[in-house]
Amino acid sequence: DAGVIQSPRHEVTEMGQEVTLRCKPISGHNSLFWYRQTMMRGLELLIYFNNNVPIDDSGMPEDRFSAKMPNASFSTLKIQPSEPRDSAVYFCASSLEGSRAEQYFGPGTRLTVT
Amino acid sequence: DAKTTQPPSMDCAEGRAANLPCNHSTISGNEYVYWYRQIHSQGPQYIIHGLKNNETNEMASLIITEDRKSSTLILPHATLRDTAVYYCIVRVDRNAGNMLTFGGGTRLMVKP
Repeated sequence: DAGVIQSPRHEVTEMGQEVTLRCKPISGHNSLFWYRQTMMRGLELLIYFNNNVPIDDSGMPEDRFSAKMPNASFSTLKIQPSEPRDSAVYFCASSLEGSRAEQYFGPGTRLTVT
Repeated sequence: DAKTTQPPSMDCAEGRAANLPCNHSTISGNEYVYWYRQIHSQGPQYIIHGLKNNETNEMASLIITEDRKSSTLILPHATLRDTAVYYCIVRVDRNAGNMLTFGGGTRLMVKP
């Protein structure tokens, strides 16, 4: 099993540009989570999907952020337009939903917005 | 989900047991205790979880007090590779919506 795959691993972009982060969950998992980690705020849940449907997006900071899951094997997190304060490490995690399911995290995407 | 309190940092000598405490005094009867860790520059990794009884797996042991208001994660023989931030999380398990709320965690430094 390849685990959760995220791309790119590193992204450097200029303020105002659109950024798209990608995630491939573990095959067979039906829940997917997007987290953001910064020194100031720690690890925060942004949004999660269950069976490709967004269930809770209350952690999405503002309208500049959007996430999609068109099928069970792919999800994107888009920031448009990006700002320097969006600089963080973005993690994707997946789990086989049900009682006491553990989440498996990807390696993260380190985003730097200049 | 109940809040947790952990010491911000701890040191442990290599080869010795690392005992990481977690206070969750407001835990309710249907909330589980989970432990994850995050090694530098990696995503968090599941370690262990429990409800009432003590639990053990290949990575660690989890000791939960009888009143369930606190717990201890035990790494029996810490190695340098166990240096990481350890997160104690309390949550209700649902069929859907099993989100994790991470606190500050404990930064464990294993020293030679």
